[in-house]
Amino acid sequence: QAVVTQEPSLTVSPGGTVTLTCGSSTGAVTSGHYPYWFQQKPGQAPRTLIYDTSNKHSWTPARFSGSLLGGKAALTLSGAQPEDEAEYYCLLSYSGRGVFGGGTKLTVL
Amino acid sequence: EVQLLESGGGLVQPGGSLRLSCAASGFTFSSYAMSWVRQAPGKGLEWVSAISGSGGSTYYADSVKGRFTISRDNSKNTLYLQMNSLRAEDTAVYYCAKGRGATKPYTAGVDYWGQGTLVTVSS
Repeated sequence: QAVVTQEPSLTVSPGGTVTLTCGSSTGAVTSGHYPYWFQQKPGQAPRTLIYDTSNKHSWTPARFSGSLLGGKAALTLSGAQPEDEAEYYCLLSYSGRGVFGGGTKLTVL
Repeated sequence: EVQLLESGGGLVQPGGSLRLSCAASGFTFSSYAMSWVRQAPGKGLEWVSAISGSGGSTYYADSVKGRFTISRDNSKNTLYLQMNSLRAEDTAVYYCAKGRGATKPYTAGVDYWGQGTLVTVSS
């Protein structure tokens, strides 16, 4: 089973920009991994922010964007807000099975 | 409005069995793959299992293969997870999740989540 890697923690200043990444032990992440990004706040269920690399749901704030960057999936937050402090998880698809990354704890400080 | 309501969680002894259910509403259930995702206390998310919209294809994480069985009843808009030979490391909140389409690759992803049900495996 593949291993998906994320930065354990990142810090961003209010109004700043930060990029979270998601790598695969099997090689470069491509659109064929259909990368997803999720946000989870303490005590809450996760919610889906990004699907298929860069597509947003209706509830996804415009300041979040997804892309492929240097062989990894990436989630960029531009103009961080205090309410963006949360755990962020990526998910990659491997022939119909999913594998989550370990999560990135994002602090807005 | 999409709603996913899990039930069936609780305390079970190691080696025991439990069946989780997820009642779905707000969408055409048979048109979407469904999955289970779990989260151990204080830990990250772990993808557990998924099933295609028709129920004809199933997928499992290596950690549960041979012990867990996913199924669905499209006439009842309900997803199930039969968990056998439970271990302490299966202790987690189990989330029911909806995919974006009926078949692979949509079996791997999630666009809507339930609120979760807690399973505790302990003697």
